[in-house]
Amino acid sequence: EVQLVESAGGLVQPGGSLRLSCAASGFTFTTFWMTWVRQAPGKGLEWVANVKEDGSQKNYVDSVKGRFTISRDNAKNSLYLQMNSLRAEDTALYYCVRGYTYMLYWGQGTLVTVS
Amino acid sequence: EIVLTQSPGTLSLSPGERATLSCRASQSVSSNYLAWYQQKPGQAPRLLIYAASSRATGIPDRFSGSGSGTDFTLTISRLEPEDFVVYYCQQYGNSPRTFGQGTKVEIK
Repeated sequence: EVQLVESAGGLVQPGGSLRLSCAASGFTFTTFWMTWVRQAPGKGLEWVANVKEDGSQKNYVDSVKGRFTISRDNAKNSLYLQMNSLRAEDTALYYCVRGYTYMLYWGQGTLVTVS
Repeated sequence: EIVLTQSPGTLSLSPGERATLSCRASQSVSSNYLAWYQQKPGQAPRLLIYAASSRATGIPDRFSGSGSGTDFTLTISRLEPEDFVVYYCQQYGNSPRTFGQGTKVEIK
C-alpha cells in the first residue's frame, strides 16, 4: 500500500524558515518523481514544486522560486521542502504527492501557518 | 503558464440529475494531458480522470471525461449524495503544472 506521510508543519513568523518532510513507503521511491502541492485555507490547489527520481531536475512555481528548495533522500525514501523567507500567503496545507503527471497518491497534508 | 478556468463556480443540482463541469485552458493542453480530481471536506484530492477521458482505477462509471485542446468536460451521469463536493481540473502537459480554481457541486 502506497503511503505518504508528511511531518508536522507549524506556526512560523513572516521571514522565517521551515522544513517539511514526507516519508514514502509501499512503492519503489527511486523510480518516481515527487511533487509538493499546497492549498490555502478555503482555497484551491496550487502545484508548488517537483523533483526528478535522482534529484537532478527540479521545477518550481514562480511564487516560490528562490525561497523554496525541494530535495529528496532516496536512501531514506524521503522528500523534503525547505521553505525560507516565508510570507503570509504561504499559509496552506502542504501535500506530498507521488508523480510527475497526474496525481494518484497524496499524503494527508501538513498545515503551515505564517503569522 | 497555462491558466485553467472552471465553470460554473457552483453548480446546484438534485440527486439523480446529470452534472456537467467545464474546464477551459488558456492555450492548448499538450497531448490532452488533463486530469480531474474530487475533493471531499477534510480529505486530500482523489484522482477521477486522467488523459482527459481515462477513468482512474476504482472510479464509478457515472464519472466520465471528454474534450481536447482547450475545452474539457467532466460529466457525472447521475449524482449520488456523496458527489456533492468540489472538483478540480489539472493540466500536466506543460510546466508548471496548473489547476483550475474548482467547481463546487451543491444540493439544490
